[in-house]
Amino acid sequence: DSGVTQTPKHLITATGQRVTLRCSPRSGDLSVYWYQQSLDQGLQFLIQYYNGEERAKGNILERFSAQQFPDLHSELNLSSLELGDSALYFCASSGTPPWNEQFFGPGTRLTVL
Amino acid sequence: DQQVKQNSPSLSVQEGRISILNCDYTNSMFDYFLWYKKYPAEGPTFLISISSIKDKNEDGRFTVFLNKSAKHLSLHIVPSQPGDSAVYFCAATPFQAGTALIFGKGTTLSVSS
Repeated sequence: DSGVTQTPKHLITATGQRVTLRCSPRSGDLSVYWYQQSLDQGLQFLIQYYNGEERAKGNILERFSAQQFPDLHSELNLSSLELGDSALYFCASSGTPPWNEQFFGPGTRLTVL
Repeated sequence: DQQVKQNSPSLSVQEGRISILNCDYTNSMFDYFLWYKKYPAEGPTFLISISSIKDKNEDGRFTVFLNKSAKHLSLHIVPSQPGDSAVYFCAATPFQAGTALIFGKGTTLSVSS
């Protein structure tokens, strides 16, 4: 158990809809990262928050947004969903030495029908 | 353009033998490298890492070798065990603490008894 929790585990929705994925980092970790893993792909970095502020952006679509709350949990919002958004979405956290090691949650599997 | 490449999608090894997983990178700014292991329906689990100031790092049965001039690293597992069967991801990041990881697409290791 990495200490990072993600809900829900599975999500099935229709095209055009909006969903919210939730992540709670390990206790004490200030950084939260979101990654997307599509079929046969490695993990693609989407966005990073550090202590409530956006720190870095990767290949995140404009239809996607995220935030980190004062209690350090984070939410990833996906809107106007398309079939191609079906993927595994992982949250990771880091914040204690060595800071480069990130600890991943179990992921949310999103299926867009 | 993939900055981290794992050119072997799969590897099969007998129990007790050595498993060697390879990874190549193109970005000379990468200074810290990590290996993650992933079982189905779970998030990636951190395995071992290496900084560019070293060429080798060991942790039990796992050893990572880094050849900076060739931009190549490898993960050796000795002896291999059936429980090592999983997908192994290589990841890299500039040595700037708390930055996003760039992942390869992974190598599926199968260890037969």
